[in-house]
Amino acid sequence: AQSVTQLDSQVPVFEEAPVELRCNYSSSVSVYLFWYVQYPNQGLQLLLKYLSGSTLVKGINGFEAEFNKSQTSFHLRKPSVHISDTAEYFCAVSGANTGNQFYFGTGTSLTVIP
Amino acid sequence: EAQVTQNPRYLITVTGKKLTVTCSQNMNHEYMSWYRQDPGLGLRQIYYSMNVEVTDKGDVPEGYKVSRKEKRNFPLILESPSPNQTSLYFCASSPRWSLTDTQYFGPGTRLTVL
Repeated sequence: AQSVTQLDSQVPVFEEAPVELRCNYSSSVSVYLFWYVQYPNQGLQLLLKYLSGSTLVKGINGFEAEFNKSQTSFHLRKPSVHISDTAEYFCAVSGANTGNQFYFGTGTSLTVIP
Repeated sequence: EAQVTQNPRYLITVTGKKLTVTCSQNMNHEYMSWYRQDPGLGLRQIYYSMNVEVTDKGDVPEGYKVSRKEKRNFPLILESPSPNQTSLYFCASSPRWSLTDTQYFGPGTRLTVL
């Protein structure tokens, strides 16, 4: 079965500093990768996704992620965070090994410190 | 406004008392899904539906039932709730049954089973 590992459960970072949230997946076959964000008391919304093509994917709110097939990673980055980026971030995967399902990681709680 | 709605948003109940959590989307989406979110476990898929009258089990279906009689509605039924079903539940939909599609999430239902 497919699995997704988010290595950091909590990431505190100062405002305007860069941040990287890490995500690794288990499959070596064709995959689709997603990052979702969950603001307090809300549902999840899509930040960005990788389907094919360029390995650097740009999303909303200044976030980007890089697909690295050899390292089976899809890390999320932002060069300068804002207070409003404080949220829970989920990496998700679907593809040849997931049947008709999506698999989510355990989430990373990003706290931006003023 | 395009959205996924869930009701109720909060529910406290007792063991064994049947309950239904409703989910409705107004985007004419084919694919709908239910997830539960638990601390340290992320989101896990309970059931999904690729279209009307087509449903299938996700990773954690035990203790839950679903039905998809209409395209817009996908209720989650707990016939005999138990305390281990205390969780935050999300309904999601996407335009097609496709592993590349973005999922649109409802606001969540926080369920407590005493």
